[in-house]
Amino acid sequence: GESVGLHLPTLSVQEGDNSIINCAYSNSASDYFIWYKQESGKGPQFIIDIRSNMDKRQGQRVTVLLNKTVKHLSLQIAATQPGDSAVYFCAEREGAQKLVFGQGTRLTINP
Amino acid sequence: EAQVTQNPRYLITVTGKKLTVTCSQNMNHEYMSWYRQDPGLGLRQIYYSMNVEVTDKGDVPEGYKVSRKEKRNFPLILESPSPNQTSLYFCASSSLRDRVSEKLFFGSGTQLSVL
Repeated sequence: GESVGLHLPTLSVQEGDNSIINCAYSNSASDYFIWYKQESGKGPQFIIDIRSNMDKRQGQRVTVLLNKTVKHLSLQIAATQPGDSAVYFCAEREGAQKLVFGQGTRLTINP
Repeated sequence: EAQVTQNPRYLITVTGKKLTVTCSQNMNHEYMSWYRQDPGLGLRQIYYSMNVEVTDKGDVPEGYKVSRKEKRNFPLILESPSPNQTSLYFCASSSLRDRVSEKLFFGSGTQLSVL
């Protein structure tokens, strides 16, 4: 079946730098995408979402980019802080009722 | 505070002993779902519910049951747990927009160990 995947399982960045987390998806019919953040011992927390009729959406310190041509999704975090350390998941909506999650990327912030 | 509450947080049990993991949300969401999270496999959907008395299988429903008698509650039942059901379980809920699930709100998780 089709699945959502990530290019890198781990990412280390310096505090204050920008982080970019990538995600590839294979279902061209997907119309909605979400990024989640999961801190140790907690459930996934919604960060930002984007619909397929958009190619960019900005939140507070985060930006999601969607490139439907190459089926690629990215999450950009500006001025990374220690509290950004977590596992980040992308997810695509498959049909009306199910989100398919990627494997996750662990983001580590170096002081 | 808007939240999804799961109980218990941790559970150790033995093979074959029936158990229930409770889930409750206070956001009046129509949609609720259960996921399990395993290393290397990510989050996989077990069951979901579009509304009261409406439930359907996800990707890995074998060995699990659910019920949705009330809008706020969506318990996960393991009638006869087996060691391969050792996992981290998450309940989630969302509102529906034109019958389509929007962003999910997750509980804090239940770590289940079946010996």
